[in-house]
Amino acid sequence: DVKVTQSSRYLVKRTGEKVFLECVQDMDHENMFWYRQDPGLGLRLIYFSYDVKMKEKGDIPEGYSVSREKKERFSLILESASTNQTSMYLCASKGQGDGVRYGYTFGSGTRLTVV
Amino acid sequence: AQRVTQPEKLLSVFKGAPVELKCNYSYSGSPELFWYVQYSRQRLQLLLRHISRESIKGFTADLNKGETSFHLKKPFAQEEDSAMYYCALKASGSRLTFGEGTQLTVNP
Repeated sequence: DVKVTQSSRYLVKRTGEKVFLECVQDMDHENMFWYRQDPGLGLRLIYFSYDVKMKEKGDIPEGYSVSREKKERFSLILESASTNQTSMYLCASKGQGDGVRYGYTFGSGTRLTVV
Repeated sequence: AQRVTQPEKLLSVFKGAPVELKCNYSYSGSPELFWYVQYSRQRLQLLLRHISRESIKGFTADLNKGETSFHLKKPFAQEEDSAMYYCALKASGSRLTFGEGTQLTVNP
């Protein structure tokens, strides 16, 4: 019953490459989020979207952009990958208002290594 | 701006011992606080939220506005509680701010 799917579990890219991380949810959620997860730093919000074609910067948007052309899909783009973007990337979604437990649903993550 | 701090990166206890994972926050308004957990090789998932005042898997957490804390407690730790725990704050809208995380290890 997978609800948030990230297209790649592991990814290795070269410095300077343009990288696309894809996330798809099947719960008809309005809100979608991209976080990066680093030891000792926790989860830090990169970008989020509360509707199709809408996007908001999070706490660490530099070096990233996003795309949300369809409600179910939220893409994270690294315009020119750098080694300091090596990290675990987590996608999450959430519907409007209070659900039964008002929580995010997370994907399984994409571990990106930039060499 | 809101901030969540988890002062312990690592916490190790023995099975059957009480455990407390600390969480402090800073926010000028009325916050909503959550605990998320990530077991080994599993997705991050919601453990509990302060509004529900619920006990999940024996864990409880009380929001203390005076001390701006939301510590997670369990009276008798089990080995299956070993995981990474994140405290999170919802200030406005739907975005969550997470703490640095605490890796809990429960030894047999």
